[in-house]
Amino acid sequence: KQEVTQIPAALSVPEGENLVLNCSFTDSAIYNLQWFRQDPGKGLTSLLLIQSSQREQTSGRLNASLDKSSGRSTLYIAASQPGDSATYLCAVRRSGGADGLTFGKGTHLIIQP
Amino acid sequence: GAVVSQHPSWVICKSGTSVKIECRSLDFQATTMFWYRQFPKQSLMLMATSNEGSKATYEQGVEKDKFLINHASLTLSTLTVTSAHPEDSSFYICSVHSGTAGKSYNEQFFGPGTRLTVL
Repeated sequence: KQEVTQIPAALSVPEGENLVLNCSFTDSAIYNLQWFRQDPGKGLTSLLLIQSSQREQTSGRLNASLDKSSGRSTLYIAASQPGDSATYLCAVRRSGGADGLTFGKGTHLIIQP
Repeated sequence: GAVVSQHPSWVICKSGTSVKIECRSLDFQATTMFWYRQFPKQSLMLMATSNEGSKATYEQGVEKDKFLINHASLTLSTLTVTSAHPEDSSFYICSVHSGTAGKSYNEQFFGPGTRLTVL
């Protein structure tokens, strides 16, 4: 059974810092991996999607890397802003079909002004 | 990405009643939708896969007779929590599978969620 772990569970840093959020998964046979952002009481916003054949994806100040063989992904946030405060979730898809996602518990991020 | 809505955004009901939650794909025809549940301080857990025109596929431990799923069209899936009890109180979120065409390859787009409180 696939298990996804995110470290740290919570993080609070001053504005402007560069951050790294970590995600690990036990079964390396994944199809793709997605990073999401969830604001309190809200749904999920997709940030980045990395296919299993890819090593990284970038969108603005966000960069996500994937090391499938070691079961790890990192989300790098550059020049953090208070608006980045949210819970960041990592999720993996187990197959190439229309399959559901297995989520980690998330990293609760607070950016101090 | 796809735009997904859910209705209602929150609902409070008495124990023993049934509650229906709608998930709509507003700009995309979705053959497959997913239903997830999120308890406080926990991650999202997949409940079931909703397939248009066929029976839903439920994850292990999810009671299909309690959580009825209907995917009658390519833009609408409904989740009905039957005979709801306080332990069913949770945040229910649906997602739409993007398919394999276009820019969003095998990506999932999520609705805003429905907060269910059973008294």
